[in-house]
Amino acid sequence: DTEVTQTPKHLVMGMTNKKSLKCEQHMGHRAMYWYKQKAKKPPELMFVYSYEKLSINESVPSRFSPECPNSSLLNLHLHALQPEDSALYLCASSTRGLNTEAFFGQGTRLTVV
Amino acid sequence: GEDVEQSLFLSVREGDSSVINCTYTDSSSTYLYWYKQEPGAGLQLLTYIFSNMDMKQDQRLTVLLNKKDKHLSLRIADTQTGDSAIYFCAESINGNNAGNMLTFGGGTRLMVKP
Repeated sequence: DTEVTQTPKHLVMGMTNKKSLKCEQHMGHRAMYWYKQKAKKPPELMFVYSYEKLSINESVPSRFSPECPNSSLLNLHLHALQPEDSALYLCASSTRGLNTEAFFGQGTRLTVV
Repeated sequence: GEDVEQSLFLSVREGDSSVINCTYTDSSSTYLYWYKQEPGAGLQLLTYIFSNMDMKQDQRLTVLLNKKDKHLSLRIADTQTGDSAIYFCAESINGNNAGNMLTFGGGTRLMVKP
């Protein structure tokens, strides 16, 4: 099983809503990531979790709040987003350490209205 | 800092070979990757190459690495219409060993005409 599963696939939310994106993998990977991809742009790293602890935050605004409740799950809590936060949010996982294969989910396409 | 660049667009005829090029700047990268993204989908890892190699072949895919010039290419033999997608090259960021943090190029849109 080399699958990273993200839910929901699509999400439309208002600027005052609170919502969560979910990501799950059962490959035993202890590093998990959130990337953001705007239209016609490459993915950009947001957060890295290593052994369920946040190790990298790429200066992401606090309206995005990640959470890693266990080694298989990664959440991204969203609150008070702006229309410019509309994007494809990709989750990935890998074994720890540099230069290992990162497997990506299909993404959640988020629209903020 | 890291910077990965690719040409924006490539158009080929079905059955021809496609060559997608990429340049990178971080000489400490030890693995370089090629990902494929179809419309509305996530990223599919196609192949990767270790920096002490100069070539890797995997079925229709051939990766060439010129470490001196920091140039990476992906050749797709016998290109099919199903190969139409955006192709991203990526390098690992030399971070704190917490994980495989990738810097992506801007992506090359490959269009395959029947």
